[in-house]
Amino acid sequence: DGGITQSPKYLFRKEGQNVTLSCEQNLNHDAMYWYRQDPGQGLRLIYYSQIVNDFQKGDIAEGYSVSREKKESFPLTVTSAQKNPTAFYLCASSIDPPMNYEAFFGQGTRLTVV
Amino acid sequence: LAKTTQPISMDSYEGQEVNITCSHNNIATNDYITWYQQFPSQGPRFIIQGYKTKVTNEVASLFIPADRKSSTLSLPRVSLSDTAVYYCLVGETYNNNDMRFGAGTRLTVKP
Repeated sequence: DGGITQSPKYLFRKEGQNVTLSCEQNLNHDAMYWYRQDPGQGLRLIYYSQIVNDFQKGDIAEGYSVSREKKESFPLTVTSAQKNPTAFYLCASSIDPPMNYEAFFGQGTRLTVV
Repeated sequence: LAKTTQPISMDSYEGQEVNITCSHNNIATNDYITWYQQFPSQGPRFIIQGYKTKVTNEVASLFIPADRKSSTLSLPRVSLSDTAVYYCLVGETYNNNDMRFGAGTRLTVKP
C-alpha cells in the first residue's frame, strides 16, 4: 500500500543528545514537510522540501536539521541546540506542484526528553 | 498563504449538523480553500477542497460565497467520532509549497 511512514512512534532522548526521526513515503511525492505540534496547539512548520537535495526553513527551524538525499526520504534531526524538543512531530508529503493541495501525513513521532 | 481565522472551539450533539466558518479576507484570485481533520495523536487528514460555490463529498460539504472571503465546512449528522480539530488552509495550489496550519477549531460532539 502507498503511504507515508514515520518511525519510531515514541522516542526518548537525553538532554544534549541529537536524535533523528525517520520519514519515508512511497507515494512518489516531490514535496515533503516536517511539523511540530505541542499539546493543544496547531501544527508549526519546521522544514519543507520541494525536490531532492533542496529544502527550506519553516517558521521554527532553529535547533533542527534535515536532509533530502532521496525522493522517498526526509529525515529530521533534533539537535542539542533545540532547548525544548519534547513534542509530537509530524511528517507529510504532497505532489509538486500541489494542484489539489492534498497532503498525506504520517502517524507521528512523540519525542520526550528525559 | 492567506491568513485564516476560525473559532477556537465548538460543541455539538450527535445527529446535528455542524457548520465551521473560516474567514480569509485576503484570499487571492488563485487561492483554493482546503480543510483537514485531526484526531488526537494522529496526523491530519484531508477532508475537502474548493474554489467557489459548493463542493460536496461523502464526508462533508464546503460552501464558499461569491466574494470568497469566508468559507463554511458543513458536517452532516455528526457522531461522537467526529470529535476532532478541523483546520482551514488557504493558498495557491500551483505556486506554494510552504503549507502552514493555524490553530484550528476543536469540535466536541456530545452524546
